[in-house]
Amino acid sequence: DVKVTQSSRYLVKRTGEKVFLECVQDMDHENMFWYRQDPGLGLRLIYFSYDVKMKEKGDIPEGYSVSREKKERFSLILESASTNQTSMYLCASSLMDRFTTFGSGTRLTVV
Amino acid sequence: GESVGLHLPTLSVQEGDNSIINCAYSNSASDYFIWYKQESGKGPQFIIDIRSNMDKRQGQRVTVLLNKTVKHLSLQIAATQPGDSAVYFCAEGGKLIFGQGTELSVKP
Repeated sequence: DVKVTQSSRYLVKRTGEKVFLECVQDMDHENMFWYRQDPGLGLRLIYFSYDVKMKEKGDIPEGYSVSREKKERFSLILESASTNQTSMYLCASSLMDRFTTFGSGTRLTVV
Repeated sequence: GESVGLHLPTLSVQEGDNSIINCAYSNSASDYFIWYKQESGKGPQFIIDIRSNMDKRQGQRVTVLLNKTVKHLSLQIAATQPGDSAVYFCAEGGKLIFGQGTELSVKP
């Protein structure tokens, strides 16, 4: 069964901390995505990557960066966490533009 | 910029009735659309997709209709069941731009 695994289900961090959210997929998918999901706003694309070391900004990249050193791993980095980054973060991967699979999400709280 | 939107944030239907969830998109160049179902505490799951060279695609109890003229797509669920209660998202393929979601509630 194909899988997208997010390293943490729940995370609590302090304002100003550097935060790493990790995502690993075992499907050899080229594309990987990071979204945040907030009530009433749906899923908003932060960054996506269509190949190793390649990345593109989504709709809301401010305050975030990403790293894709290996095909199976896509990391989301909050350089200096702020309370408005408290959210549910979802990682996804896809083959071309099909067969998109999501992880279960990481609920991040910044205090 | 690109956007994908849904017409209603919530939809309540009686068990056994058909459900219709609507979605509008703005990018006329989009050629691939996907519907997702998200249950509480889980990530979105693929339901059905459609390419722009089609007007209709059917799955098991679900049908997606695409009207490129008015940039609108809909998800129809036949004989809605309590297990269909979830938030439904339409998404535009490629960069996977999502709409805001419609919460479907099924009354027994």
